[in-house]
Amino acid sequence: ETGVTQTPRHLVMGMTNKKSLKCEQHLGHNAMYWYKQSAKKPLELMFVYNFKEQTENNSVPSRFSPECPNSSHLFLHLHTLQPEDSALYLCASSQGGLAGEYNEQFFGPGTRLTVL
Amino acid sequence: EDQVTQSPEALRLQEGESSSLNCSYTVSGLRGLFWYRQDPGKGPEFLFTLYSAGEEKEKERLKATLTKKESFLHITAPKPEDSATYLCAVQRSNAGNMLTFGGGTRLMVKP
Repeated sequence: ETGVTQTPRHLVMGMTNKKSLKCEQHLGHNAMYWYKQSAKKPLELMFVYNFKEQTENNSVPSRFSPECPNSSHLFLHLHTLQPEDSALYLCASSQGGLAGEYNEQFFGPGTRLTVL
Repeated sequence: EDQVTQSPEALRLQEGESSSLNCSYTVSGLRGLFWYRQDPGKGPEFLFTLYSAGEEKEKERLKATLTKKESFLHITAPKPEDSATYLCAVQRSNAGNMLTFGGGTRLMVKP
């Protein structure tokens, strides 16, 4: 048990659908992250939230919309995705000070997304 | 731009055959270097953080070392359960809490 949970674990959606990924951390951390992991490519950072505020958006297309209502929950809202968006989407959290200290990140199990 | 290169991409070992995985990095001002283990279909599991050249950390059969240009993950007498993908990531000093990951090394240990 990593302390970071993600739902759903698997998701199949059409290009016109709207869906949301959910992440919850039970570690008392202040920073949360979304990553994309595609086959044969390194982990790509998508978004960073520190103390509920978005501090990084790594040039992610607007069809991905993050939401962080509190320090324990993070959502990724998906709409009009493309087949190339199919990947493993990972959520992580860290104790994370705003200066970047305490940055051991702990990952959830991921959501395997398939876009048809 | 920060760069992290891991080698080899894949490594097959016999049980008990010790070896090392390499992580070469280019970053202007290293705050920390991180090692993770990832099993198929799961999220990465944190292993080690190294902060300065010369630092070493150990956990069971794993030992991580750091120089100014690279890090090694030494695996001593591996067992089949050590089979996984090992990921390396760096954090730059002035980059907040962003990590840059390498492509990983897929380790397969055969009995």
